[in-house]
Formats: sequence, structure tokens, C-alpha cells
Amino acid sequence: AQSVTQLGSHVSVSEGALVLLRCNYSSSVPPYLFWYVQYPNQGLQLLLKYTSAATLVKGINGFEAEFKKSETSFHLTKPSAHMRDAAEYFCAVRLNNAGNMLTFGGGTRLMVKP
Amino acid sequence: DTEVTQTPKHLVMGMTNKKSLKCEQHMGHRAMYWYKQKAKKPPELMFVYSYEKLSINESVPSRFSPECPNSSLLNLHLHALQPEDSALYLCASSRATGSTGNEQFFGPGTRLTVL
Repeated sequence: AQSVTQLGSHVSVSEGALVLLRCNYSSSVPPYLFWYVQYPNQGLQLLLKYTSAATLVKGINGFEAEFKKSETSFHLTKPSAHMRDAAEYFCAVRLNNAGNMLTFGGGTRLMVKP
Repeated sequence: DTEVTQTPKHLVMGMTNKKSLKCEQHMGHRAMYWYKQKAKKPPELMFVYSYEKLSINESVPSRFSPECPNSSLLNLHLHALQPEDSALYLCASSRATGSTGNEQFFGPGTRLTVL
């Protein structure tokens, strides 16, 4: 069965610092991977997706993620955090033979200190 | 139009009430989804509709009844809910269920409180 693990339920960084949110997946077949962001009292917004093309994926708001098959990881990074990046971030996996069902990680709350 | 809309934004209901949540998209998507999200938790899939037919029901109690009247609309009918059903209910849509890398677009959710 596929699963997603997000290491660190809370991550705190200073404004301007590097953001690194970790996501590891387990899957016996190549997965499709997604990062979503959820601001307070809102729905989920897609940041970026990996669909077996380029391993380095660039998304919106300056975020990017790198797919590393050897490490079964898809960590999300941003060179310089902004206050507006404070939100909940979810990594999700979808097997390419499982319809379109997503399995979400537990989420990571990103806090940005001034 | 790349938006999924949901109404109402907030809903408070008693355990004997009947209410409905509504979701709408005009992106031509043929798959629509209902999720339930408790506080500080990830979304949990409830139902999937593909081409207006229910394709997945994740063992959801019968007090939740989905309906897809047409390709743009998705309803969730609620009856005899319990306080533990209080949550954020999210709707999502995607082009279809079988396409490559088929991202789901989420609505803003309906915050449901059951008294």
C-alpha cells in the first residue's frame, strides 16, 4: 500500500531563511506526487506536482521540490521564507494505477518568525 | 474559470436537521470529490464521482448522501448527523480519474458544526 510520511508536524524558520519541508513516500511503482498548501480557513491549493518528467519541479510562490527515487523522497524547499508562507503544507501521493485517489501525509505547519 | 466554489461557507445544524452542501465547478472537469477534514488533520476522502457516477465510497455512513446532478454540480446531503461529524468539508474536481498527473482543484470548504 502507498503511504506518505511528513517528518516534522511543525517547522519554524526566520523570515528570509531556507524552508525545507520533508516528505517520504512508500510505493512499489512510480508514484505521482503533489504538494498542497492550506492557509487558515481555506481549501487546499496546489503548489507543484511530480509526474515522472523532470525530477526537479518548480511550483508557485517560489517553491520547488526534488524527486529522489533512491531516497523515496520529495522534499519541498524555498530559498527565502516570507511571512505569507506561514500555512499548513500537505504532501500527497497518487499511484498511477489507482484512479485518482490521493493519500495525504499528516501535514507540516510552517511558522515564519519576523 | 479555474475555481471550485462551495456553499455555504459555514453551517450549524442540529442532529435532527437535514441540510445540503453544494459544490460547483465550470472547468469542464469530469471527476468530483468530497473530503472531510478534522482540525489539524489531512483531508480524508469520502466519495468520488466520475462522469456523474459514484465510483468510490470510502465506507462513509449513510447519514451522508452524495449526489451529482450534472457534470458541474456536486451535492452532499446531510441527515441525522452526530457532533463528531463537525469538520471542514472540502470539494475538489479534476479533469478525470484516469489521466496522468491529474491534479485536484479544491474549493474553500464548508465549515460544519453539529450541535
